[in-house]
Amino acid sequence: AQSVTQLDSQVPVFEEAPVELRCNYSSSVSVYLFWYVQYPNQGLQLLLKYLSGSTLVKGINGFEAEFNKSQTSFHLRKPSVHISDTAEYFCAVSYGGSQGNLIFGKGTKLSVKP
Amino acid sequence: DADVTQTPRNRITKTGKRIMLECSQTKGHDRMYWYRQDPGLGLRLIYYSFDVKDINKGEISDGYSVSRQAQAKFSLSLESAIPNQTALYFCATSGLAGWNEQFFGPGTRLTVL
Repeated sequence: AQSVTQLDSQVPVFEEAPVELRCNYSSSVSVYLFWYVQYPNQGLQLLLKYLSGSTLVKGINGFEAEFNKSQTSFHLRKPSVHISDTAEYFCAVSYGGSQGNLIFGKGTKLSVKP
Repeated sequence: DADVTQTPRNRITKTGKRIMLECSQTKGHDRMYWYRQDPGLGLRLIYYSFDVKDINKGEISDGYSVSRQAQAKFSLSLESAIPNQTALYFCATSGLAGWNEQFFGPGTRLTVL
């Protein structure tokens, strides 16, 4: 079955430290990969997406992610986090090509401490 | 003005009551979705629609129904609410292709007592 696994449910980190949020997906020939962020009491908004081409994609707010086909992973990274990055982050995968719907991971809560 | 709006934003109701959650969008998108979010479970797809005449069940459609009244409007109904349906509900829209970004509304927090 198609699935998305976010390996950490909570990640505490100090301000200005680097962070990596991990995401693995079940293997498929054609996938589109997304990271969304949900700030407290808000809906989700897109951070970045991978459709094709360069395996390193850059998004908003200094985040980036690397697509690794052999590892079926799409980990999210930021070299230096801010208090304002405190939020819940969702990895999502579209498996069905142009007709696919998103399957979301269960989310990782990033807590940035001063 | 927000591109995707949801009403109400909060609702408390009792077991057995019929509830309707409404979603409107001004993005001109064809695809619309309803998700529910539960702590620790992420977002799960309830229903989705490609256009006014196309409605599809998602992962967890039991106990829910939807209506696509127009391209811009997509409503979710709970015919007889149960406490297990207490959750945060999101509407989203996107272009037709699977690689399109989804745009989310602010959510409706529903509590069923």
